[in-house]
Amino acid sequence: QLQLQESGPRLVKPSETLSLTCSVSGDSITRDDYLWAWIRQPPGKGLEWIGTIYYAGNTYYNPSLKSRVIIFVDTSKNQFSLRLTSVTAADTAVYYCAGHVRSPARQGGNNWFDPWGQGTLVTVSS
Amino acid sequence: QSVVTQEPSFSVSPGGTVTLTCGLSSGSVSTDSYPNWYQQTPGQAPRTLIYSTNIRSSGVPGRFSGSILGNRAALTITGAQADDECDYYCVLYTGSGTWVFGGGTRLTVL
Repeated sequence: QLQLQESGPRLVKPSETLSLTCSVSGDSITRDDYLWAWIRQPPGKGLEWIGTIYYAGNTYYNPSLKSRVIIFVDTSKNQFSLRLTSVTAADTAVYYCAGHVRSPARQGGNNWFDPWGQGTLVTVSS
Repeated sequence: QSVVTQEPSFSVSPGGTVTLTCGLSSGSVSTDSYPNWYQQTPGQAPRTLIYSTNIRSSGVPGRFSGSILGNRAALTITGAQADDECDYYCVLYTGSGTWVFGGGTRLTVL
């Protein structure tokens, strides 16, 4: 059974870089039927898709965050990671990693997020 | 960037039927938007309910169903139960490898 777990610093200073890693267990990150995604949720607010990566390196980012985001995969560790630069208090959120399942017919865009990690709260504060 | 709209809140009586919807500021939702629906209880990660418009995820009760109603995606709960009281989020594919979540609907069962 596929399981995901986020890890990384819980407190980041303004203007610095937020770094999180998602460890995938139960199967290989190189499985063809999955992409891998980061999603966040500010306290008391809704969900926001940050970006998605395929193990081969194809990346897709939220246009509103694209200038500050990098997502990359380390297949040797079965992990994928998020880097968000120049953070402000508005980046304080619970950050979730998730599998981004590809439809069997491989229709572009026909994907869904499953499973999800438990989420980790990252606070931006000096 | 497209904005995905959901009703901020809704209420339903126990045993009743409720339909939550999900729209696009820039046009109509269709099956090509591949709408997904997620359920989230406080303090927990979201749970997948529906994907590809109307396919129930494994283990999801049959009282949850998805569809397209007019120009919006819809999640219908038939025979609402007390533990259905939580937040519901839709997400739409908006093209060029991008997905947008709606703001969520808080459902009250009373």
